[in-house]
Parts: sequence; structure tokens; C-alpha cells
Amino acid sequence: DVKVTQSSRYLVKRTGEKVFLECVQDMDHENMFWYRQDPGLGLRLIYFSYDVKMKEKGDIPEGYSVSREKKERFSLILESASTNQTSMYLCASSLEPRAFFGQGTRLTVV
Amino acid sequence: GEDVEQSLFLSVREGDSSVINCTYTDSSSTYLYWYKQEPGAGLQLLTYIFSNMDMKQDQRLTVLLNKKDKHLSLRIADTQTGDSAIYFCAETGKGSSNTGKLIFGQGTTLQVKP
Repeated sequence: DVKVTQSSRYLVKRTGEKVFLECVQDMDHENMFWYRQDPGLGLRLIYFSYDVKMKEKGDIPEGYSVSREKKERFSLILESASTNQTSMYLCASSLEPRAFFGQGTRLTVV
Repeated sequence: GEDVEQSLFLSVREGDSSVINCTYTDSSSTYLYWYKQEPGAGLQLLTYIFSNMDMKQDQRLTVLLNKKDKHLSLRIADTQTGDSAIYFCAETGKGSSNTGKLIFGQGTTLQVKP
């Protein structure tokens, strides 16, 4: 089975901190994604990457950046965390037609 | 734009069938998906259907696709308490079939009463 591992299950950060969320997949997938999940809104795409060093903005990229230096790792960066970025963050990798998700990181910004 | 809609809540009794419905707007979607999320967990792919199919069955799960009405449904037979979760419908949006980008509905919380 494909394994997508997110580095933290829970994080608490202060407003203004720089935050790194890490994601690693073990199946050599080219496509990787970061989604944000909020109640009643479903999952919204923040950024995705279809190859090393390649990235594209999703639907809600403001306040976020990403890094993909190696194929297996895709990092989401909050340059200056704000309280409205408190959310559940889900990483995924895909090989058409299936996408596989990590367990999620619940980030609280105080 | 592309949109996927689901009702937010469904309650059933253990042993009954559950039917979760979804509508979508992008008729060019290549695949449509159902994901399950248990409390505190990530998303688990339950099943998916290719857009040129009408139905797919996998054990207790039946997926029906009505392309004319852009309607997708997931039927769970003999619903168990372990089926209590949030169920997400998703589609591959326009131009996304080769990237894996998905557009998700809001999620339907299924409550199974003993």
C-alpha cells in the first residue's frame, strides 16, 4: 500500500511564526498536493506539484508557499502564521486515477 | 466554475441501507470518487468510477453515476456502526485528469444508530 506520512499530527504555533509542514510519500509518485480542510467547506487545494521543483497554485494559495526539492517530499510553508490558518492540513500523492492521503496535521495558531 | 455539492448530514439505523448523494457541475470529469474520513484521520479512498460507467459495485458499496443529471450516489448496504464517518465526493476537474487534482464536496456526515 502507498504510504503518505505527514510529520506531525498536531501543531500549536504562535501568530507570526514561520511554520513548516512536511509530507513524504514512498511510491515515487510525481504528483503531490496540499489541501486544507475546514468544517462545511470540504477540502480546498492550496498548492500542488507535478515534478521536482515544479509547483502550481491551487484555489487558496495566499499566505502559503511550498517546496519540492526531492520527489518523495513536499513541504508546505506558512511564512507568517495567522489565526485564520488554524485548520486541518492534508497532504496527498497521486498516480492516476488514485490519490492517497496522509493522516492530516491539525494546526492551531494562537 | 467547478462545484461539487453534498448534503451535510445523514442518519440511519444499523442494518439499514445508506444512500449518500452528490451533484457536480463539470461534465468533462474523467473520474469520480468517494472518500471516507474517520474521526481524527486522513481520507481513505473507498471507490472510484470512470465517467463512461453507470455503476460500480464493490462488496457492500454500490456507486451509481447519472451523467445526464451530473449525479453520483454511494449506497452502503447493511450499514454498520463502523461506517460512521464523513464521506466526501470528489471529481477530477477540468483539465485535471493528468495531474490528479480533485475537487471535493463539503462532506456528508453519516451517523449510524445502533
